[in-house]
Amino acid sequence: AQTVTQSQPEMSVQEAETVTLSCTYDTSESDYYLFWYKQPPSRQMILVIRQEAYKQQNATENRFSVNFQKAAKSFSLKISDSQLGDAAMYFCAYRGFQGGSEKLVFGKGMKLTVNP
Amino acid sequence: DTGVSQDPRHKITKRGQNVTFRCDPISEHNRLYWYRQTLGQGPEFLTYFQNEAQLEKSRLLSDRFSAERPKGSFSTLEIQRTEQGDSAMYLCASSLESRNEQFFGPGTRLTVL
Repeated sequence: AQTVTQSQPEMSVQEAETVTLSCTYDTSESDYYLFWYKQPPSRQMILVIRQEAYKQQNATENRFSVNFQKAAKSFSLKISDSQLGDAAMYFCAYRGFQGGSEKLVFGKGMKLTVNP
Repeated sequence: DTGVSQDPRHKITKRGQNVTFRCDPISEHNRLYWYRQTLGQGPEFLTYFQNEAQLEKSRLLSDRFSAERPKGSFSTLEIQRTEQGDSAMYLCASSLESRNEQFFGPGTRLTVL
């Protein structure tokens, strides 16, 4: 079974600084997607960034970028120029395709605090 | 453009009662997913529909849980004989195609007393 591990339960960063959130996963599949979702307090989960495993180039979305290391099964999220609105729970998620499954497998999440 | 909506947003019930939650996906999204999120954990998959067909169910979905998606539009999740362990946030998500992003709703927070 696929598993996703976020080993850091909490992190804090100063406004305008850069922070990196770590995520590792375990799978035997070669075709899969990885995601970072953001869940602000009392608000719904939104997608931050997505990485297809077959793509060697790391995904980038404005201030958000990933470091995807397929062999190491590592998928970290870098947030540059942190803003107060980045404060939230961040979840790493895996989506495989074996057996037609469409479920997302989430890590436990990491709480990011942004200090002014 | 409306996103995924869920109703109610909060539900408090007594142990042993039945509860039903509703999810309205983004229009034209043919895939609909239910997840459960307990405090301090990430969401856990419960079940998913492609149109009206329920194609995948987690082992978490005990006999007390049933989900439907009549006519492939909105979906309902019913929990019978609720237990305190059912207290959680129930999240609904929808997507247009298999390889597309899942868009999440705001969730229904269930508290079982």
